[in-house]
Amino acid sequence: RKEVEQDPGPFNVPEGATVAFNCTYSNSASQSFFWYRQDCRKEPKLLMSVYSSGNEDGRFTAQLNRASQYISLLIRDSKLSDSATYLCVVTRGAGNNRKLIWGLGTSLAVNP
Amino acid sequence: DTAVSQTPKYLVTQMGNDKSIKCEQNLGHDTMYWYKQDSKKFLKIMFSYNNKELIINETVPNRFSPKSPDKAHLNLHINSLELGDSAVYFCASSPTGFWSPLHFGNGTRLTVT
Repeated sequence: RKEVEQDPGPFNVPEGATVAFNCTYSNSASQSFFWYRQDCRKEPKLLMSVYSSGNEDGRFTAQLNRASQYISLLIRDSKLSDSATYLCVVTRGAGNNRKLIWGLGTSLAVNP
Repeated sequence: DTAVSQTPKYLVTQMGNDKSIKCEQNLGHDTMYWYKQDSKKFLKIMFSYNNKELIINETVPNRFSPKSPDKAHLNLHINSLELGDSAVYFCASSPTGFWSPLHFGNGTRLTVT
């Protein structure tokens, strides 16, 4: 079993739809959590960090459930420009021992 | 004002050749990384340097040799290139810290023929 797992999709949704992605992690010692976005043939870019209490940034909401060991990303009112691959990242360790564990990504296509 | 820049953007070469990819960051970050993203899109850490010191060396063939002349630069030299080395190589940097995100360069697409 991979340490970080995501549904690869693709998710095909119409503009304006609400879509949610989940990401599960297996190591309970995981400490920090992020969602990155990667457009086709581009580099990954940080979308948002995921805090214990959940956090929102405009149309994007991230949640963390430590008991069940998953994080989620909710996108409301999807735009065409949201089409991308969304990568879940989990870290463990600190300082020089910090390791980032990447999911394989969930592909989203928002259609007109 | 490119934060993490890597060159070249595209690299096409033949098997057996030696090539280098350069990376520079102007963000003042302490840690730099090399990642490989293969055709299945899996992003795999290769190396990590903190203040010019190697801290992560994941199971990478020793044909790959990173060099960090200073904390703003991390270059990757690859000897005796093989077909399986074809991938996109991303350089990244981050500050040292629990919640520090990574900032990526725009990638070097390596094709070995």
